[in-house]
Amino acid sequence: KQEVTQIPAALSVPEGENLVLNCSFTDSAIYNLQWFRQDPGKGLTSLLLIQSSQREQTSGRLNASLDKSSGRSTLYIAASQPGDSATYLCAVPRMDSSYKLIFGSGTRLLVRP
Amino acid sequence: GAVVSQHPSWVICKSGTSVKIECRSLDFQATTMFWYRQFPKQSLMLMATSNEGSKATYEQGVEKDKFLINHASLTLSTLTVTSAHPEDSSFYICSARDLRDNYGYTFGSGTRLTVV
Repeated sequence: KQEVTQIPAALSVPEGENLVLNCSFTDSAIYNLQWFRQDPGKGLTSLLLIQSSQREQTSGRLNASLDKSSGRSTLYIAASQPGDSATYLCAVPRMDSSYKLIFGSGTRLLVRP
Repeated sequence: GAVVSQHPSWVICKSGTSVKIECRSLDFQATTMFWYRQFPKQSLMLMATSNEGSKATYEQGVEKDKFLINHASLTLSTLTVTSAHPEDSSFYICSARDLRDNYGYTFGSGTRLTVV
């Protein structure tokens, strides 16, 4: 059964710092991996989607990498800003039903001014 | 982009009453809608998957008689928490796939349910 883990659970950094969020999964046979952002008391916003054949995806200050063989993905945030404060979740599709997602528990990020 | 409107954003109800949560896809047809539950500082747990015009598929351990899901049209899915109890208090989020974007998931803004 696929399990998705995110480390650290919480992170507090000063504004301007570059940071890395980690996501690991137990079954490397994934179709893709997605990163989402969740603001407090809100739904999720899709940030990046990496297909299984890709190594990384970039969007603005965000860069996500995928290493299927080691069961890991990282989300790199450059020059962090207070507006980046949120919970970041990664998710992979279930193998028994590829349109159903399994989410990690998330990393709560606080960027201090 | 695709938008899913979820209402209400928060609701407080008395124990034993029922609460209905609505999710509407505003600019696309959502043939499939997903309903999640999220406890504080925890991840999203899939409760059920609804397909327009057919019965919902519930995940293991989810009581289908307590969490009634209706997906009567391509733009509206509802989740009704029946005979709510304090342990049903949680954050409920819906999500839909826009088939114009094969892998795209759009999430509602969530509903905070508090049962007193």
